[in-house]
Amino acid sequence: AQSVTQLGSHVSVSEGALVLLRCNYSSSVPPYLFWYVQYPNQGLQLLLKYTTGATLVKGINGFEAEFKKSETSFHLTKPSAHMSDAAEYFCAVTFSGGYNKLIFGAGTRLAVHP
Amino acid sequence: KAGVTQTPRYLIKTRGQQVTLSCSPISGHRSVSWYQQTPGQGLQFLFEYFSETQRNKGNFPGRFSGRQFSNSRSEMNVSTLELGDSALYLCASSGGTGYQETQYFGPGTRLLVL
Repeated sequence: AQSVTQLGSHVSVSEGALVLLRCNYSSSVPPYLFWYVQYPNQGLQLLLKYTTGATLVKGINGFEAEFKKSETSFHLTKPSAHMSDAAEYFCAVTFSGGYNKLIFGAGTRLAVHP
Repeated sequence: KAGVTQTPRYLIKTRGQQVTLSCSPISGHRSVSWYQQTPGQGLQFLFEYFSETQRNKGNFPGRFSGRQFSNSRSEMNVSTLELGDSALYLCASSGGTGYQETQYFGPGTRLLVL
């Protein structure tokens, strides 16, 4: 069965510091991986996705993620945190045959301090 | 293009009642998925409709049902409401038929069951 684990329910960084949000997946078939962000009282917004091809994926707002099959990971990074990055981040997986059923991790709440 | 819209945005119901939530996808999108978001269980897939047919279903009781109309608008119904049904219900739409299609989320309907 497919699953997603996000290490760290809360991450706190200083403004300008590196952001690293961890995501590991479990899948017996090739996965399609996504990162979404949710601001308070809003829906989910796609940051980036990996389907096939290049394993380093660049997304919006300066975020990027690298698909590492050997480590079953898809960690999200941003070189320099901004106050506006404070939100909850969700890693999700789907797979061929899963149609549009996304399996989400529990989420990581990112706090950015001045 | 207008985004995914959900109505109503907020609902208060009492136990035993039923509720219907509505979702209008992005124009041209034929797939609509529903998710339940709670603090305890996180984001969970309810079901997906594509061209008026349920294509995938999550592990929810039969009290949760849905349908899709010919214009791709979708409704979700919950009968005999329980306190545990209090949640944010998110709708997402996607175009195309590929498994890796991006899902665009609406702002959600927040349901409170008293």
